Amino acid sequence: DQQVKQNSPSLSVQEGRISILNCDYTNSMFDYFLWYKKYPAEGPTFLISISSIKDKNEDGRFTVFLNKSAKHLSLHIVPSQPGDSAVYFCAASKQTGANNLFFGTGTRLTVIP
Amino acid sequence: EAGVTQFPSHSVIEKGQTVTLRCDPISGHDNLYWYRRVMGKEIKFLLHFVKESKQDESGMPNNRFLAERTGGTYSTLKVQPAELEDSGVYFCASSQGVSYGYTFGSGTRLTVV
Repeated sequence: DQQVKQNSPSLSVQEGRISILNCDYTNSMFDYFLWYKKYPAEGPTFLISISSIKDKNEDGRFTVFLNKSAKHLSLHIVPSQPGDSAVYFCAASKQTGANNLFFGTGTRLTVIP
Repeated sequence: EAGVTQFPSHSVIEKGQTVTLRCDPISGHDNLYWYRRVMGKEIKFLLHFVKESKQDESGMPNNRFLAERTGGTYSTLKVQPAELEDSGVYFCASSQGVSYGYTFGSGTRLTVV
């Protein structure tokens, strides 16, 4: 049973516009959430994270929003750049400090120049 | 600094054969993790080493999978005998402490035919 879900397998956005990637989770015990970015033939690369005590975390062009009541998080990229084209994975952990991450299936983002 | 190295990058074996995957973590990283992604699905946790000890192996699918980390340096993941459903990309990651932003290797793509 998948506990982290990314229901959009793909997303296309024009360069300069905002990209919004969504993620839902089912386990209310999750308290730490992360986004990873993956290029072809490479491993996932950590992008940004958020603790359940916050509802927003920003790092440059990347912002993650967390809505605990809806068990939903989203990653906003603005402005989107062609180099952002990759597969984005949402991940969650049941306990801060634990190392077992639960990943979603990924969303392939294509930024069109 | 060298990253996490995995080899082989690809392996094609017949059902019933044995395959051994290797992971060299970043030097000095005590924590080493194995994850697996079956085609189109989520990345799933397999196990976590702290130095040479298995900290958490709750994700190992069955006893056909054996992971070792002798001497607390590199790790091997052996699949014996391989089944068709073992096909996928096996990722290794390492971190210095208990940290979520750990570094992934490029993965080993295993195909069982």
